[in-house]
Amino acid sequence: SQTIHQWPATLVQPVGSPLSLECTVEGTSNPNLYWYRQAAGRGLQLLFYSVGIGQISSEVPQNLSASRPQDRQFILSSKKLLLSDSGFYLCAWSGPSGPGGSYEQYFGPGTRLTVT
Amino acid sequence: RKEVEQDPGPFNVPEGATVAFNCTYSNSASQSFFWYRQDCRKEPKLLMSVYSSGNEDGRFTAQLNRASQYISLLIRDSKLSDSATYLCVTGSYQLTFGKGTKLSVIP
Repeated sequence: SQTIHQWPATLVQPVGSPLSLECTVEGTSNPNLYWYRQAAGRGLQLLFYSVGIGQISSEVPQNLSASRPQDRQFILSSKKLLLSDSGFYLCAWSGPSGPGGSYEQYFGPGTRLTVT
Repeated sequence: RKEVEQDPGPFNVPEGATVAFNCTYSNSASQSFFWYRQDCRKEPKLLMSVYSSGNEDGRFTAQLNRASQYISLLIRDSKLSDSATYLCVTGSYQLTFGKGTKLSVIP
């Protein structure tokens, strides 16, 4: 069965510090991968998605970036965090796109980031 | 802008009650429709897919009306463990999530 891991679970970082959040998926090949942010009391905001190694699409211009160095690894980074970057960061995967593809997404446990 | 609109609630219902949630979506090109459940400070989890023909999973029934761009979820015989936020979701390889409807089932 497929599993998705995220770490760390919680993180407190000062403004201006760098960020690296990692997500890995097991039990599937060539997944679509997604990074979302959920701010307190708000809905899920799609930040990045990837359909393959090295292929990243950004949905919202900001000081965050994403990379996919391996098929089942997705990394969210920032060089300098802002207070507004605080939130609950969720990684998700879905099956490959295409006819007959399944579009439901499955989420990792998330990283709760507080920027102070 | 592609949006999914939901009543945020909260819906406070007694155990055993039947409760219904609705949502509307703006993107007529959406191909997939889901309900997710999110517990406090946890990740969203897929509750069920939604089909035009309607589908049922135990106490949960979901319905899609493509013409009206309207999705519903019916929960029968509510349990305390049903307390959560229910997210209406549409899209294809990119999903759009509603902000959720909060349900509290009261003893």
